[in-house]
This record gives sequence, structure tokens and C-alpha cells, in this order.
Amino acid sequence: DAKTTQPPSMDCAEGRAANLPCNHSTISGNEYVYWYRQIHSQGPQYIIHGLKNNETNEMASLIITEDRKSSTLILPHATLRDTAVYYCIVRVGGGGADGLTFGKGTHLIIQP
Amino acid sequence: GEEVAQTPKHLVRGEGQKAKLYCAPIKGHSYVFWYQQVLKNEFKFLISFQNENVFDETGMPKERFSAKCLPNSPCSLEIQATKLEDSAVYFCASTSARWEETQYFGPGTRLLVL
Repeated sequence: DAKTTQPPSMDCAEGRAANLPCNHSTISGNEYVYWYRQIHSQGPQYIIHGLKNNETNEMASLIITEDRKSSTLILPHATLRDTAVYYCIVRVGGGGADGLTFGKGTHLIIQP
Repeated sequence: GEEVAQTPKHLVRGEGQKAKLYCAPIKGHSYVFWYQQVLKNEFKFLISFQNENVFDETGMPKERFSAKCLPNSPCSLEIQATKLEDSAVYFCASTSARWEETQYFGPGTRLLVL
């Protein structure tokens, strides 16, 4: 799986959009970008994934650049409960049975 | 059940003792995964199962660690002769099929080796 690079930490004001960047310059054509988050010490939680088109669900939006070398996870109206470590993971599509490779993630802190 | 269940929540062992952790996947899920999280951020994939068969054990330490998923029983991860460096949170996850994109994680078991 391709390697990802994320900033170690970010702050965002409550109610504002939180934009979390991820670089994955060695991504292959059949690899998807996934985002998970870990709130406090709970188990990781799936957020969203995409291949090349932008994706949106009830939790977040995912913007992938045209060359697919980087992406941004957007939490449109961040709340205090969104404080968590966010992991960007690149993996082969259809590999639901493969183990996930987590990096160090970005610790997002939502400020009141 | 609708959630991945892990027991116990906390486990304390003296160095050299055995530790056994349990995981009940979401009902109907065929794949089970074990991960180890040492410190706050460092996750390591250990092993995965497809039903009762080992699917991928590339992350499993060669010694002291073993795991099973038997029919009609929770899956288990066993550490023989624990060491201080085995102190970690062990997460179990499950997914329904190979083409399923989401892994659903349990709350974890916090193992402390003294």
C-alpha cells in the first residue's frame, strides 16, 4: 500500500470547516483513499473513501486532486465531538479483507 | 450483535504470565482482524481470519502470540509469557466480505504487563 503523509496536529474553531490534508504521491491506479478517525481511545471509526471523484456522506467530504497525489478530508461544521486522530489510508480497492496500515495520523483539536 | 464486542476491557498481567483476549465480531461478518496499538498512535495489523481460517498472519509475531476463531465461539488472541513491550491496546475489527470497504472496530482491550 502507498505511504501517506499527514500533519501531526491541527486546530479548528467549533462551527468552522475542518480541512485535513493528506499526501499520497506514490498512490497506484487501483488504490483508494480511506479516512478513519479515533476518538480518544475508542476503536477507529470509518469516515469515507474514494478513488478519484470527490465523495460526500453524512459525516464528511473527500476531495481528491486530479493527479490523485493528495486529498483533503472536510468536516463542514466541526463540533467538539470531532476532536480525534484522523488517519488517511491508501489501499487497494476490493481489499476489504486486508489489514489496514495506519500511519501516525493528524490530531485534530476543535476549539470552543 | 450489531457491534464488535471485546472482553475484557482491561487486563493486567505480570511479566511471564499468559494473557487471553476475546472478540465477538458483528453477527454475519466473515472476516475478523486483530490490531495492536502501542502508545497513542502506532497501530500494527497482527492477523486476520476468514471464518475459522487464518487469512493473513503477516503481522503476527512469530513467538508467543497465537489466535483462533472457532465456530460458535468468540475469536481469541493469546499471548504466552507476556513481556513489558506487549503492553498495548488490542483492537478487534470485523467486516462482512472481501468487497466490503469498511472495517468495524471494537472498543479494544487494554493490556498492561507489569
